[in-house]
Amino acid sequence: DGGITQSPKYLFRKEGQNVTLSCEQNLNHDAMYWYRQDPGQGLRLIYYSQIVNDFQKGDIAEGYSVSREKKESFPLTVTSAQKNPTAFYLCASSILAGGFTDTQYFGPGTRLTVL
Amino acid sequence: DAKTTQPPSMDCAEGRAANLPCNHSTISGNEYVYWYRQIHSQGPQYIIHGLKNNETNEMASLIITEDRKSSTLILPHATLRDTAVYYCIVRLSGSARQLTFGSGTQLTVLP
Repeated sequence: DGGITQSPKYLFRKEGQNVTLSCEQNLNHDAMYWYRQDPGQGLRLIYYSQIVNDFQKGDIAEGYSVSREKKESFPLTVTSAQKNPTAFYLCASSILAGGFTDTQYFGPGTRLTVL
Repeated sequence: DAKTTQPPSMDCAEGRAANLPCNHSTISGNEYVYWYRQIHSQGPQYIIHGLKNNETNEMASLIITEDRKSSTLILPHATLRDTAVYYCIVRLSGSARQLTFGSGTQLTVLP
């Protein structure tokens, strides 16, 4: 089955520790995105990547880092510099090609709780 | 991206059609109307999108008015599993642009 996988579904970490969230897609999509969602809030973009080895900051990139070494993978590291890391993290991907609509498809999400 | 307005909540009886409205009076000619839904504690799920013609897929139908200032998402036979927050989004295509979700409509399907 094609799709986007995120692991783990739930993650607990102690304050001050870095943590990496996994996102993998087998849809052959060009672009990948990381969003953060807080309770009762909309989505806020953290980082996005249109091609391998390239990525851009979103609205709330401070305290986060990403890499895009492979087309199908876009891991997100939540560093100790992120002041309020407890949130629901969503990964998405989309095709990017001239003339095509870039419908974004989402993974199931990872709920991170920092204790 | 154009702003959208949706009712905060709606109820629908199981088995009946759910009609979810969305106003987007400032939509421009090259902006698409997208619908997503999010079931509690899950990732958003893409439902359907359209530019000006009505669209139908296995999940739903999208009816866009002729002036494109409003649209309606129709779930033809709502089930309890359709209970979710439904988001109407208007956006340009063809670039890696973030999705901006408004407050959406909480649809509750009642048994």
